[in-house]
Amino acid sequence: ETGVTQSPTHLIKTRGQQVTLRCSSQSGHNTVSWYQQALGQGPQFIFQYYREEENGRGNFPPRFSGLQFPNYSSELNVNALELDDSALYLCASSSRQGRNEQFFGPGTRLTVL
Amino acid sequence: QQQVKQSPQSLIVQKGGISIINCAYENTAFDYFPWYQQFPGKGPALLIAIRPDVSEKKEGRFTISFNKSAKQFSLHIMDSQPGDSATYFCAAAAYGGATNKLIFGTGTLLAVQP
Repeated sequence: ETGVTQSPTHLIKTRGQQVTLRCSSQSGHNTVSWYQQALGQGPQFIFQYYREEENGRGNFPPRFSGLQFPNYSSELNVNALELDDSALYLCASSSRQGRNEQFFGPGTRLTVL
Repeated sequence: QQQVKQSPQSLIVQKGGISIINCAYENTAFDYFPWYQQFPGKGPALLIAIRPDVSEKKEGRFTISFNKSAKQFSLHIMDSQPGDSATYFCAAAAYGGATNKLIFGTGTLLAVQP
């Protein structure tokens, strides 16, 4: 069974640029959630995707957007990057909406200069 | 009301000792309480989780104690080992809602001294 994978591992961007992060969910999982973890903080929920549709959103502006594909993999897109967007971005997958444990990937470390 | 408060912020324990981390919540809709372990540069790994219909759950050296009336839950690590040195996060979710988003505590940095 393959766990949650994310790419890239690290990324450096400059303010104002756009970035796309990718996540492959664990085998058999159909729900993907994205979290932002600032240094020294707990993860903060960005949004969740189920059946290729956004299914709930945290307190993040519209420049944070996402997609889920038919194979349940997902992308997180961030436009007009700001310095405060520097963080570890985590993807978590679960097997059925609303019921089961969430398993996290290793994350993508984004640095905005 | 969505917050989960975690303490202490950091903890130093001797090898073989018991590590105790506490969390408190306000939202009575929460019905799922996991604990995650995170090593530097890695994603959080699910350790153990509990639902409010039981007061305690044990898996190996890890035990969750849950007090529904006080809206508190804690993680106990028995026989703590240097390899347990990591950051621990409690979390909560209302799985009956539309989104099973996890609300995390602020984390506890555990150092187990040999």
